[in-house]
Amino acid sequence: NFMLTQPHSVSESPGKTVTISCTRSSGSIANNYVQWYQQRPGSSPTTVIFEDNQRPSGVPDRFSGSVDSSSNSASLTISGLKTEDEADYFCQSYDATTVVFGGGTKLTVL
Amino acid sequence: EAQLVESGGGLVQPGGSLRLSCTASGFTFSNYAMNWVRQAPGKGLEWVSVISVDGGNTHHADSVKGRFTISRDNSKSMLYLQMNSLRAEDTAIYYCTKAIHGAYPRSRVIDYWGQGTLVTVSS
Repeated sequence: NFMLTQPHSVSESPGKTVTISCTRSSGSIANNYVQWYQQRPGSSPTTVIFEDNQRPSGVPDRFSGSVDSSSNSASLTISGLKTEDEADYFCQSYDATTVVFGGGTKLTVL
Repeated sequence: EAQLVESGGGLVQPGGSLRLSCTASGFTFSNYAMNWVRQAPGKGLEWVSVISVDGGNTHHADSVKGRFTISRDNSKSMLYLQMNSLRAEDTAIYYCTKAIHGAYPRSRVIDYWGQGTLVTVSS
């Protein structure tokens, strides 16, 4: 099985842009779609990016996703940060028999 | 919009059993794969199980293989997780989740999450 590694925490100021990385330990990041989930304190997760760079309806276009084969990693970028974006973010991918989540990144907007 | 409501959580002794249920609405349940995902207190997300649209194909995480069984009843729009031989490390909130499609690989892509049900394994 492979692992997905995320930074434990990131912080940035309101209005700025932040990028959260997700690095796959083995196998190509490009071979299987990557998803991103947001979890605010005390709430269930919600999907903010699916299939590498697709946004569900209702998710603002301030959220974007990308994949970089050269670093075997995926990224979630949030622009125009708002205090409401403060949350834990988890990346996720899969293979034929398993699903793997990253350890999560705590985003602080201060 | 899809709605998922879990039930069946609670306190159980080590070695005991519990069956979680998930009531689905707002979408054609039989057209989509479903997954269970859990989250231990203060920890990250851990995938548990996936089931195909007709229930004929399932996969479980190594940590629960042989102890947990995922199943579904399309006539009732219900998803289940039978949990046997429970251990303290199974203590977690269990989320019922809907995939964006019925077939692999999109059966592993989640678009909706329930509110979760807490399972506590303790003596």
